[in-house]
Amino acid sequence: GDSVTQMEGPVTLSEEAFLTINCTYTATGYPSLFWYVQYPGEGLQLLLKATKADDKGSNKGFEATYRKETTSFHLEKGSVQVSDSAVYFCALSDPPGYNQGGKLIFGQGTELSVKP
Amino acid sequence: EPEVTQTPSHQVTQMGQEVILRCVPISNHLYFYWYRQILGQKVEFLVSFYNNEISEKSEIFDDQFSVERPDGSNFTLKIRSTKLEDSAMYFCASKAGDTGTGELFFGEGSRLTVL
Repeated sequence: GDSVTQMEGPVTLSEEAFLTINCTYTATGYPSLFWYVQYPGEGLQLLLKATKADDKGSNKGFEATYRKETTSFHLEKGSVQVSDSAVYFCALSDPPGYNQGGKLIFGQGTELSVKP
Repeated sequence: EPEVTQTPSHQVTQMGQEVILRCVPISNHLYFYWYRQILGQKVEFLVSFYNNEISEKSEIFDDQFSVERPDGSNFTLKIRSTKLEDSAMYFCASKAGDTGTGELFFGEGSRLTVL
């Protein structure tokens, strides 16, 4: 079945460092891809998304590019802040228009800790 | 901005007791979901619900679990006889019927502690 694999955490960085969190997926067809973020004590919030190959999702300085050839959707940010400390989840769903009610399948999450 | 709301935020119960977790999805959404997250682990799909019936459920969602949409606004998850391993954060989510991107909107979660 479909699955998502993320790099293991925790990831600890200094403020203004470059961030990469790797995400690869296994799916039939061309899923939609997402990054969700969970700040301490809060629920899941959509960070960014991409629905087709070579699409780049971006938000709050974070970016991820849908790479069909490597089945990847790595999350990047050029300069992290302390406020970016959170758990980041990569997820996939069925392609747009294919299964409107389809569920999200999540990776295991990667905890990011940014130190001043 | 519309949001998914969940109650209670935290519930402590004794093993074997029944628990009902409540959710109010975003008002014009058509698809509803429950997920759970055991502490430190991944977010796991439990069940999806559409048009007043379950559309998909996972292996976790056994006979001890049930969902209901008793009126036009609430969506509940019932655990009939709780076990220690049911201790987790439970997230409700909803999705609009007309979006093509598959985005789910999540509530802040209900933490269940089974003693």
